[in-house]
Amino acid sequence: DIQMTQSPSSVSASVGDRVTITCRASQGISSWLAWYQQKPGKAPKLLIYAASNLQSGVPSRFSGSGSGTDFTLTISSLQPEDFATYFCQQTNSFSLTFGGGTKVEIK
Amino acid sequence: QVTLKESGPVLVKPTETLTLTCTVSGFSLSNGRMGVSWVRQPPGKALEWLAHIFSNDEKSYSTSLKSRVTISKDTSKSQVVLTMTNMDPVDTATYYCARSGFWSGYFVFHFDYWGQGILVTVSS
Repeated sequence: DIQMTQSPSSVSASVGDRVTITCRASQGISSWLAWYQQKPGKAPKLLIYAASNLQSGVPSRFSGSGSGTDFTLTISSLQPEDFATYFCQQTNSFSLTFGGGTKVEIK
Repeated sequence: QVTLKESGPVLVKPTETLTLTCTVSGFSLSNGRMGVSWVRQPPGKALEWLAHIFSNDEKSYSTSLKSRVTISKDTSKSQVVLTMTNMDPVDTATYYCARSGFWSGYFVFHFDYWGQGILVTVSS
């Protein structure tokens, strides 16, 4: 199975900060990567698919980049509603796998 | 609008078999461009994909859970069913069903709609 490693596991940031989360795949997955946001007690919400495509309705401050094994999710200007946990997912092949998560906390 | 909703027992005993149902609306399970997966999340931990079913009834399973998990669907009832045998306390988790689809000429396996989840506790 393809292993997905996210870093950092947590980050403290302030409103207005630029936040970058990385995800590394154990083997090449082309651009088949998705990013989700999850708030406590809620289901994950799709933010980005195919590495850089913004899901409909998601604010443009979220962006994704990368291909092969290294990927990045960037929040350009952190808003109060963005404090949450973020997961990456490789969608290249079965078994589908997720990263361990990155918790974005208030500084 | 598209919705998915999980139902089933919230408490099972060790060694028992878990059966969960995902009832969907707003799309058809016979739609050739849609599929449904089950994903679980132990409390405070990461997401884990379990199984996927395509509209043509083709299935795919997690490598690590393949021997214990079965996915099926009843298109007429708009339901996808997950069974997991020999439940253990480590299987305590919120279980989600989620939809995937078709994009730019490919079947894709990111999940654009999720159910609310059902917390299943395994305890005697």
